[in-house]
Amino acid sequence: RKEVEQDPGPFNVPEGATVAFNCTYSNSASQSFFWYRQDCRKEPKLLMSVYSSGNEDGRFTAQLNRASQYISLLIRDSKLSDSATYLCVLLRNSGNTPLVFGKGTRLSVIA
Amino acid sequence: DAGVTQSPTHLIKTRGQHVTLRCSPISGHKSVSWYQQVLGQGPQFIFQYYEKEERGRGNFPDRFSARQFPNYSSELNVNALLLGDSALYLCASSTVRGIPYEQYFGPGTRLTVT
Repeated sequence: RKEVEQDPGPFNVPEGATVAFNCTYSNSASQSFFWYRQDCRKEPKLLMSVYSSGNEDGRFTAQLNRASQYISLLIRDSKLSDSATYLCVLLRNSGNTPLVFGKGTRLSVIA
Repeated sequence: DAGVTQSPTHLIKTRGQHVTLRCSPISGHKSVSWYQQVLGQGPQFIFQYYEKEERGRGNFPDRFSARQFPNYSSELNVNALLLGDSALYLCASSTVRGIPYEQYFGPGTRLTVT
């Protein structure tokens, strides 16, 4: 089983829709989680850190479920500019790999 | 403030050659990490340096090496290039303070090996 797993999509949604992505992780010792956004042929950019109680930033809400070992990202009122690949990332509690990335979920918001 | 910068932006090499990629972190950041991103995959960790010392190494062959300089900039070197080394090479910097620590990526160097 991969350490971080995501549905690769693509998710094709109309403008204004609400869309949610889930990401599962296998290492229960993982301490910190992030969502990064990556536009085509660009570098990943930090979207949100995910804290134990979850957090919200405008139209974006991230939640962590440690019991089931998954994190989620909810995007409300989707905009065309939200079209990108969303990378689920974890920080291991131990070991020598600072960040472990999922393969990403591709989102296309359609007019 | 300037973000993470990387050079060159694009590079074409042939098999067997050597390449050096460069990275300058955000001012005040002392940690630099290198990642390889193959098309369709998430970034894979190669190295982390903090205060000029290697603090972590991913599952990459010895053809890959790196170093960090006193000004915290870094170089990634790859010897005996293979076709499979074609990828986007990303550098990320962080302060490595607090938990969690957040990494900020440069625009990357796109390496093509022919």
